Amino acid sequence: LAKTTQPISMDSYEGQEVNITCSHNNIATNDYITWYQQFPSQGPRFIIQGYKTKVTNEVASLFIPADRKSSTLSLPRVSLSDTAVYYCLVGDMEYGNKLVFGAGTILRVKS
Amino acid sequence: EPEVTQTPSHQVTQMGQEVILRCVPISNHLYFYWYRQILGQKVEFLVSFYNNEISEKSEIFDDQFSVERPDGSNFTLKIRSTKLEDSAMYFCASKPAGNQPQHFGDGTRLSIL
Repeated sequence: LAKTTQPISMDSYEGQEVNITCSHNNIATNDYITWYQQFPSQGPRFIIQGYKTKVTNEVASLFIPADRKSSTLSLPRVSLSDTAVYYCLVGDMEYGNKLVFGAGTILRVKS
Repeated sequence: EPEVTQTPSHQVTQMGQEVILRCVPISNHLYFYWYRQILGQKVEFLVSFYNNEISEKSEIFDDQFSVERPDGSNFTLKIRSTKLEDSAMYFCASKPAGNQPQHFGDGTRLSIL
């Protein structure tokens, strides 16, 4: 499992775009990059997953450079309700492999 | 959108008692998991289950723990003799085949007195 490094915390204001970068220098060929969001007393919620280049869905975008050694989760126009912990996970998603969570990034959105 | 459901949302148990945490994974998912999160700490893997057997377990998942999929819909975690340090949020997750993510329930808060 590739080790990931992401900022411990970030602050933002409502309406701003937030970019959270994750480093994963030891990513393997079969590994995917997956981001989860967690609110207090709730389970991690899947946000987005990608393998290379750019992935976009209704809540976020994921940018992955060609070397795949890092990735950036982009949250457009955040609101107070986006205050949460965001986890970057890297691993082979093909089979039922476990997820290994780090400490994540605490995002605080202020008004 | 289908979701993983867990019951109860909060369980209070005396130390030494048995507890069963219940989960209904998303229909047609094939892989099932239990994780736990002690207050203020990381989410930790406990066990994964596929094709009616345990596929991987962590060091935390000792002989006091067991999992079962008694029918086609439920997935349970049993702790045989609870300890104070078992107090945590327990999350169930499930995943379909292929390069698809795991989906988590909202957890059961287990409080051991």
